[in-house]
Amino acid sequence: AQRVTQPEKLLSVFKGAPVELKCNYSYSGSPELFWYVQYSRQRLQLLLRHISRESIKGFTADLNKGETSFHLKKPFAQEEDSAMYYCALSEGNAGNMLTFGGGTRLMVKP
Amino acid sequence: DTAVSQTPKYLVTQMGNDKSIKCEQNLGHDTMYWYKQDSKKFLKIMFSYNNKELIINETVPNRFSPKSPDKAHLNLHINSLELGDSAVYFCASSKAGPMNSPLHFGNGTRLTVT
Repeated sequence: AQRVTQPEKLLSVFKGAPVELKCNYSYSGSPELFWYVQYSRQRLQLLLRHISRESIKGFTADLNKGETSFHLKKPFAQEEDSAMYYCALSEGNAGNMLTFGGGTRLMVKP
Repeated sequence: DTAVSQTPKYLVTQMGNDKSIKCEQNLGHDTMYWYKQDSKKFLKIMFSYNNKELIINETVPNRFSPKSPDKAHLNLHINSLELGDSAVYFCASSKAGPMNSPLHFGNGTRLTVT
């Protein structure tokens, strides 16, 4: 069965510092990986997906199949990045049900 | 194991039927949610209950009715199922009020309406 692990429940950085939210997964097939974000008092929303290879709000994430990781990175954190971040995986084929990690709270201090 | 568990994992049914999806959490959380996952992996909140009280009720058809017999359970009942209801539905819970504390997700229920 697939599993998603976010080892840090809380990550605290200063504004302008680089940030990396870790996500590791276990899955035997070809997964699709996603990052979701929930800002305070807002709805959960999709941030980015690995197949799009996009940068959203300065965040990027690269799928590393060798290390089975999909870490979320941003070179210079902003205070408005403070939120809960969830990594998720879905099967690459018709299964496509999401499996979520436990979430990491990012706090960006001024 | 402490977790959010939802049943069934897969549900295949015909149009017009009435079905329920059950969700239970043993985390001691006060707030529970139902989300719908669409084909593009967007998660849309449908309902949220806090201590058995409905606090979020998004624009979903009246055919969808949540029921919370106690704060550890939030079931989703769907009447007169339609083809468009086919989706993956996620239950979740959190310790505090909505959008303020980490969400713990169930494993999802794939509903297929034929």
